[in-house]
Amino acid sequence: NAGVMQNPRHLVRRRGQEARLRCSPMKGHSHVYWYRQLPEEGLKFMVYLQKENIIDESGMPKERFSAEFPKEGPSILRIQQVVRGDSAAYFCASSPRSDPREQYFGPGTRLTVT
Amino acid sequence: SQKIEQNSEALNIQEGKTATLTCNYTNYSPAYLQWYRQDPGRGPVFLLLIRENEKEKRKERLKVTFDTTLKQSLFHITASQPADSATYLCALGPGGSARQLTFGSGTQLTVLP
Repeated sequence: NAGVMQNPRHLVRRRGQEARLRCSPMKGHSHVYWYRQLPEEGLKFMVYLQKENIIDESGMPKERFSAEFPKEGPSILRIQQVVRGDSAAYFCASSPRSDPREQYFGPGTRLTVT
Repeated sequence: SQKIEQNSEALNIQEGKTATLTCNYTNYSPAYLQWYRQDPGRGPVFLLLIRENEKEKRKERLKVTFDTTLKQSLFHITASQPADSATYLCALGPGGSARQLTFGSGTQLTVLP
C-alpha cells in the first residue's frame, strides 16, 4: 500500500521561474493538504483540497501561489515567479474519509531558489 | 495569537529509560491533538491522535495524555531505544469541518546507547 508520493524530491529554480510540485495521495484518500517548512521553523498549513475543490486556502500567500486537485491526476502546488524566500520543504498530506483528522505525510519536495 | 511550545531544548536520555516530551499551547481550543515523528530529510510520520474528551491514549510503547485545563499534552516513550531518536512534533487540530493542523517546532530526542 503505497504512501503519499511527492515529486520531484528536490527542485532547483532560478528567481523568476515557476515551480510545480506534485502530490499523489494514498489510495482511497480524498483529502489533500499542503504544508511548508521553512529552515529552522515548524510546519505551516497552506491549503486543504478535495477533488476539484479548494476547501481552505487560508494559509496560502495571496500572490504567486496556487493549488489544484483535479478529478484525475495528482494535486499540484504551483509557485510563479519564485523568490529566494520560497526556498523551503513543501509537504503534502492526505487523509481518508473514515477519519479526515489523521493526516499522512509524503516525503516532501525541497525547493531551492538560486 | 495561537502559540504552541514544545520542550525548548533537545532531549537526551539513556536507552531503556522513559522519554517524556511536553507540548503546551495558548490561545487555542483544539478538538484534538496529534503527535508525529520526523527524521532528517523526511516527512512527518503520524503516531497518535487524542481527542479533547480523552485523557490518555496508548499505542505499544507510546502514551499520550491530554489536559485541556492545563492546555498541555505529554508524550511518553517507554523502554526507549536508539531507533527512537528523531524530532517529535505536536500538532493541534481544529473543531468543525476545518482541517488545518497547527504544529509546534518539535523536540529533538536522542536516545543514547
